[in-house]
Amino acid sequence: GQQLNQSPQSMFIQEGEDVSMNCTSSSIFNTWLWYKQDPGEGPVLLIALYKAGELTSNGRLTAQFGITRKDSFLNISASIPSDVGIYFCAGQLRDAGGTSYGKLTFGQGTILTVHP
Amino acid sequence: GAVVSQHPSRVICKSGTSVKIECRSLDFQATTMFWYRQFPKQSLMLMATSNEGSKATYEQGVEKDKFLINHASLTLSTLTVTSAHPEDSSFYICSASTGAFQPQHFGDGTRLSIL
Repeated sequence: GQQLNQSPQSMFIQEGEDVSMNCTSSSIFNTWLWYKQDPGEGPVLLIALYKAGELTSNGRLTAQFGITRKDSFLNISASIPSDVGIYFCAGQLRDAGGTSYGKLTFGQGTILTVHP
Repeated sequence: GAVVSQHPSRVICKSGTSVKIECRSLDFQATTMFWYRQFPKQSLMLMATSNEGSKATYEQGVEKDKFLINHASLTLSTLTVTSAHPEDSSFYICSASTGAFQPQHFGDGTRLSIL
């Protein structure tokens, strides 16, 4: 099955610094999604990418859908303490038969710690 | 928009008990809902895909007789963990989408603890 490799596994940064994390896949996806999960809560959608090469921003967050469709990155600029959490990438494949129902394949997550 | 509510948020019960978890899409109709399980410090593992009015599709290795899924309406799916045992203790999360290939929006999860 498809696997996503997300890196880095964890990051410890100072408030104000920029952050970059990425995901790579062994096969292509049609959609890339980035989620943030706080402890004891469900993931919250940050950015959705639908086209190869697409670059999308959401406030201080910027994400790109790789040209090869096998990778995506997420950047966070000027980090603040509330950015702390676990960030997950997820790939979605639209199969021609429609049997996948839009299942997501998740990366292992990047744990972000921001020191004030 | 796209709010998903999950209830209860936490359950503690004795071994052998059956536990029902509800997942509701509050402001949209969800033809497809998904159930995940997450162990501490790990990623989300898809258990099953729930389609309104039809049988759920289970992932390999997930016991359909143990994890009963019902999707009776476009806004409600339920997961029942039957005869739960301590190894079933985990964080269960549902998600819903407005269409099969639209982004999934997640509930806040249910922490299940079996004593």
